[in-house]
Amino acid sequence: QQQVKQSPQSLIVQKGGIPIINCAYENTAFDYFPWYQQFPGKGPALLIAIRPDVSEKKEGRFTISFNKSAKQFSLHIMDSQPGDSATYFCAASKGGANNLFFGTGTRLTVIP
Amino acid sequence: KAGVTQTPRYLIKTRGQQVTLSCSPISGHRSVSWYQQTPGQGLQFLFEYFSETQRNKGNFPGRFSGRQFSNSRSEMNVSTLELGDSALYLCASSLAPSEGDTQYFGPGTRLTVL
Repeated sequence: QQQVKQSPQSLIVQKGGIPIINCAYENTAFDYFPWYQQFPGKGPALLIAIRPDVSEKKEGRFTISFNKSAKQFSLHIMDSQPGDSATYFCAASKGGANNLFFGTGTRLTVIP
Repeated sequence: KAGVTQTPRYLIKTRGQQVTLSCSPISGHRSVSWYQQTPGQGLQFLFEYFSETQRNKGNFPGRFSGRQFSNSRSEMNVSTLELGDSALYLCASSLAPSEGDTQYFGPGTRLTVL
């Protein structure tokens, strides 16, 4: 059973648009929620991460919104660029554990 | 500082064979985790090692095993290969298995089972 559900599966936006990727989880023991970016032929790279004690975190053009009561979190990419075209994965883990439960991924395409 | 390195990058094996993959973590990192990535199942956790001890194990059959050496380098072994084992195997390292410690991924080993 998928512990973290991610949508949409794919997303196409124009340059400058704001793609939004959503994730939902069931396990309330999860307390660390990272987002990873993966380019073809590369391993995933950490973009930004959040803990449930804050509702929003921003790093550069990337923002995570977190809704603890709804058990949902989302990634917003401001002023998206063609170089942002990649697959994005949300993930979650329990305290003290490095075993991440990943979403199924969203393939983002930013059209120039 | 050099990133996580994995060898080999590509591997072709036949059913029934066994394979060993290697991972060298970032210098100073003592925790190593392994993941399997496939188009159908996505990224799935295999196991995690810290100080030469397996701390966590994912839901994979016993054919999948691993170990960690005193220098934090890690290997994973898959015995009696099946077609479904074809995947990208990713290694990730972190300083320690503390809460939410950042994991850095290597480029992966692409295993093809014929």
